[in-house]
Amino acid sequence: AQTVTQSQPEMSVQEAETVTLSCTYDTSESDYYLFWYKQPPSRQMILVIRQEAYKQQNATENRFSVNFQKAAKSFSLKISDSQLGDAAMYFCAPHWRDSNYQLIWGAGTKLIIKP
Amino acid sequence: DADVTQTPRNRITKTGKRIMLECSQTKGHDRMYWYRQDPGLGLRLIYYSFDVKDINKGEISDGYSVSRQAQAKFSLSLESAIPNQTALYFCATSDPVLDSQSTDTQYFGPGTRLTVL
Repeated sequence: AQTVTQSQPEMSVQEAETVTLSCTYDTSESDYYLFWYKQPPSRQMILVIRQEAYKQQNATENRFSVNFQKAAKSFSLKISDSQLGDAAMYFCAPHWRDSNYQLIWGAGTKLIIKP
Repeated sequence: DADVTQTPRNRITKTGKRIMLECSQTKGHDRMYWYRQDPGLGLRLIYYSFDVKDINKGEISDGYSVSRQAQAKFSLSLESAIPNQTALYFCATSDPVLDSQSTDTQYFGPGTRLTVL
């Protein structure tokens, strides 16, 4: 079975500092996509960043970037200059052909921002 | 994302009642999905539809049914609600052709919180 592991149930970071959320997964495929979503207390599921597995360059979106290590099957999210509005649950969700392109969701990491 | 709407946003019902959750989208996407989220867990897929004539079961379809009335509408029904169906339900849409990065990114509605007493 293909699995996704977010090993940090909860993380905290001081406002303006940098934090990294980890995600590892298991698949035998070579071509797939990876996503990070955030879910703030409003419960809305919001896309943060996405990465194509065939691209060697790590994706970035403003203060958010990923460290994609394909051989290690690792897809971590780095948040720079953390802001209070970043407080949320963060979910890692790969997406590959064997699952008929359905997202496979991790259990999430709760991110707390300390003012 | 205001392009994907769900009704109702909150619903309390009793065991044995039939209930329908509705999802509409203005994104023009072909693919639509229904998920449920339980406390402390990620999302689990209930049903998905790649076009109006295509309906597929997801990981946890037992106790649920769906209807794809049009490209823009995808409804989820609980024929006889039970307490362990109490959860947060999300609708999502995607389209690998329209997606600017061709990653088939899913976009979510605001969710429906369902409580079955």
